[in-house]
This record gives sequence, structure tokens and C-alpha cells, in this order.
Amino acid sequence: AQSVTQLGSHVSVSEGALVLLRCNYSSSVPPYLFWYVQYPNQGLQLLLKYTTGATLVKGINGFEAEFKKSETSFHLTKPSAHMSDAAEYFCAVRGSGSARQLTFGSGTQLTVLP
Amino acid sequence: DAGVIQSPRHEVTEMGQEVTLRCKPISGHNSLFWYRQTMMRGLELLIYFNNNVPIDDSGMPEDRFSAKMPNASFSTLKIQPSEPRDSAVYFCASGRAGMNTEAFFGQGTRLTVV
Repeated sequence: AQSVTQLGSHVSVSEGALVLLRCNYSSSVPPYLFWYVQYPNQGLQLLLKYTTGATLVKGINGFEAEFKKSETSFHLTKPSAHMSDAAEYFCAVRGSGSARQLTFGSGTQLTVLP
Repeated sequence: DAGVIQSPRHEVTEMGQEVTLRCKPISGHNSLFWYRQTMMRGLELLIYFNNNVPIDDSGMPEDRFSAKMPNASFSTLKIQPSEPRDSAVYFCASGRAGMNTEAFFGQGTRLTVV
């Protein structure tokens, strides 16, 4: 079975600072990995995904993530935080076979300080 | 594209009453997921349909919960009888078949059982 672990339920950064949100996965097959963002009272929106190919994946709003198989990690970064980045971020892994649903991590609440 | 449409957006009901949540997936998508989000348990997959057929309902909490997908453009999640512990935000998501595809989420239904 697949799973993801997000380290840090709350992360605070200053506006303009680097954003780093951590995600480690467990999967018995090559993983398909996703990052979603959730703004208050909204559904989840896809930021980016890794399937195959280039291990550095660029997404919307200036976010990117790097797939590191040796570290079983898929950390999300953004060079310079903006106030509008304040939201909850979820890492997810897709299962294989009959279990093709997305399994989500527990989420990381990002606060951006002025 | 209108995206995944859920109704109602908010539902307040008394304990013991029947509650029906509705979802219209994105046209052309053949996978549909129902998730529940709470502070305590995060995002939990309740049930997953593929081509209108339930594939995995292991996340359905108990017999009080049931889900149907009578056709490719409509799904319901029913709780009967409802209990206060069912209070949560329920999300419907849809996607195309394929391991490298993401799920698109609706805005969610916030259910409060008093």
C-alpha cells in the first residue's frame, strides 16, 4: 500500500522567503506524486504532479518539486513566498492496480508573515 | 468547463435525519471519488467508482453510508441516519483513467449534524 508523510503540520515563512514543504512517500511501485493546494472554504487544486521523466517538476504560482527516489521524497519549494500563498498544502500518491485512488498526506498549513 | 459540481454547499440537519449529497463530475471523466475531510482525520477516501462501478468502498465508515453512481454524470452519497460525528466537509472528485492523471475536486459540501 502507498502512503505519504508530510513533515510539519504548520510552517511559517516571511514574505519573500523560501518556502519548503516536505513530503516523503512509500510506494511498492514507481510512484505518481501530486501536490495540491486548498484555500479556505475551497476544494483542492492541483499545483503540480510527477509521473515519469524529469525529476524537477514545475507547477503553477511559481512552485516546483523535485522527485528524489533515493530519499523517497517529493518536497515542494518556492523561491519567494507571497502573502497569497497562505493556504493548506497536501502531498498525494496514486496507487496501482485496483487501488488507483489518491492517498493524501495530513497537510501542511502555510502561513506567510508580512 | 464548469468543473466538478457539488450540491448543496452547506447542509445543516438534525441527528437521525437522512442526508443526500450530490455530485456532477466533469464530462468525459470516468473515475469518481468521494472524500471526507475533518480536522481530526484529514482527507479520507470513502469510495471510488470507475466507469460507474464501485471499485473500493473500504473507506465507507459503516452501513449508514451509501453511495451510488447511476450514470456517468451523477453520483450521490447518502447518510441515513445521520449522527453528529458525521459533521465534516465532503468532497467529490473526478478524473480520467490512467495512473498519471490527477483528480479534480469540487468545492465540497459542509455538513453539520446537530
